[in-house]
Amino acid sequence: EAQVTQNPRYLITVTGKKLTVTCSQNMNHEYMSWYRQDPGLGLRQIYYSMNVEVTDKGDVPEGYKVSRKEKRNFPLILESPSPNQTSLYFCASSLSGQRLLYEQYFGPGTRLTVT
Amino acid sequence: QQQVKQSPQSLIVQKGGISIINCAYENTAFDYFPWYQQFPGKGPALLIAIRPDVSEKKEGRFTISFNKSAKQFSLHIMDSQPGDSATYFCAASIVFDRGSTLGRLYFGRGTQLTVWP
Repeated sequence: EAQVTQNPRYLITVTGKKLTVTCSQNMNHEYMSWYRQDPGLGLRQIYYSMNVEVTDKGDVPEGYKVSRKEKRNFPLILESPSPNQTSLYFCASSLSGQRLLYEQYFGPGTRLTVT
Repeated sequence: QQQVKQSPQSLIVQKGGISIINCAYENTAFDYFPWYQQFPGKGPALLIAIRPDVSEKKEGRFTISFNKSAKQFSLHIMDSQPGDSATYFCAASIVFDRGSTLGRLYFGRGTQLTVWP
């Protein structure tokens, strides 16, 4: 089954404790992205990657890191989480190119709480 | 700066009624305008998309109307059903450089639709 998987689905952590949220897709997509969803603010892009070793900042990159060492994986790293990073996080992927960039496939989400 | 502005933030419609969600943009370089649907506890999923050279696209009960001169587009849900209750996001995609694969997808802030039975 074609899908985007994220782990963990739920995470409660404390301020300053490094964490990683994994994202993997099995559709051979070039483009992968991370979003955070907050009430009233919609989906805001954190980082995106056009292909292996190619990443760029989205609209809210502060406090996050990413890496793209393999085409299928795109982990999101919070080196020192803070309470304002409490949010619902989504990983997404798509084929790149003009026609297909808009058709993104989203994972099930990771609910992160930082106390 | 918000690239795509969406309204209303929430919408309540009676079963069988028409739901209308509106979006506006400024950047004329956007080349596709998709709508995503998100049910509680799930990730967003592509619902329907339109190119700017098309004024209307219909898929079942869902229709996108596109007004290029006004830089506005809207989603119409005909005969709205309780199962349509979800959050809807409009979006706009852009390719930075023709001939390359670099680009982004920008989302509106979402509309929470509730359809009462």
